[in-house]
Amino acid sequence: NAGVTQTPKFQVLKTGQSMTLQCAQDMNHEYMSWYRQDPGMGLRLIHYSVGAGITDQGEVPNGYNVSRSTTEDFPLRLLSAAPSQTSVYFCASGRQGAQYFGPGTRLTVT
Amino acid sequence: GQQLNQSPQSMFIQEGEDVSMNCTSSSIFNTWLWYKQEPGEGPVLLIALYKAGELTSNGRLTAQFGITRKDSFLNISASIPSDVGIYFCAGQGSSNQFYFGTGTSLTVIP
Repeated sequence: NAGVTQTPKFQVLKTGQSMTLQCAQDMNHEYMSWYRQDPGMGLRLIHYSVGAGITDQGEVPNGYNVSRSTTEDFPLRLLSAAPSQTSVYFCASGRQGAQYFGPGTRLTVT
Repeated sequence: GQQLNQSPQSMFIQEGEDVSMNCTSSSIFNTWLWYKQEPGEGPVLLIALYKAGELTSNGRLTAQFGITRKDSFLNISASIPSDVGIYFCAGQGSSNQFYFGTGTSLTVIP
C-alpha cells in the first residue's frame, strides 16, 4: 500500500492563479480531510469528507473548494491564490477514530 | 474553533530522561490521538485512545485518556536522539472534526 499520496510536493503560485492539490489513498478509507499547517498554529482543518459525494467545511474553509467523486481521491482547489494561503498543506485519511497523513505540499503564493 | 492547549511548548532533555507532555480541551472528546512530526514530513500516528481512563503503550511511549475526557497525556521513557520532533495531540468530539494542539517540540541532547 502506498498509503496517502500528495502531489505536488512543492508549488509556487502568483497571486490570483488557481491550482489543484491532489490527494489519493489506497486504504479504502471513508474519511478524508485537508489541513494547513502554519508556524505556531498547529494543524487547522480546511475541509473534510465522510464518504464519496459528501463534503463539509472545517475551521478555515474560505478560499478553498473540494469535491469527493471517488473514495480514493480528495482534491483541494484554490480558485484565486492569495499570499495568506502560503502554507504547508496536508491531506489525511482514516476510519472512525484515527487519521493517517500524507507527506504534504509546500505552497508559496507571491 | 475548538481550542486545545498543549504543554509544554518545547522541551530540552538529556538522553535517557523521561518526558511528559499533556493536552487539555475546553470540551469533552471521544477520541484522543498523539502524533509525531519530523521536519519536512507529515505527522505520524503514535497512539490512539478511545475510552476515558484508557492507558495505551507503544514501545517506550505511553498515553492516557483523561477521566474527565477533557485531557490526555503522553509519556516517553528513556528518551533517545531519534525521539526528536514535534509531538501533536488531536481530539475528536461528537462531530466528525479533529482538532489539533499547537505541538510540543522535543530536543534530546546526547
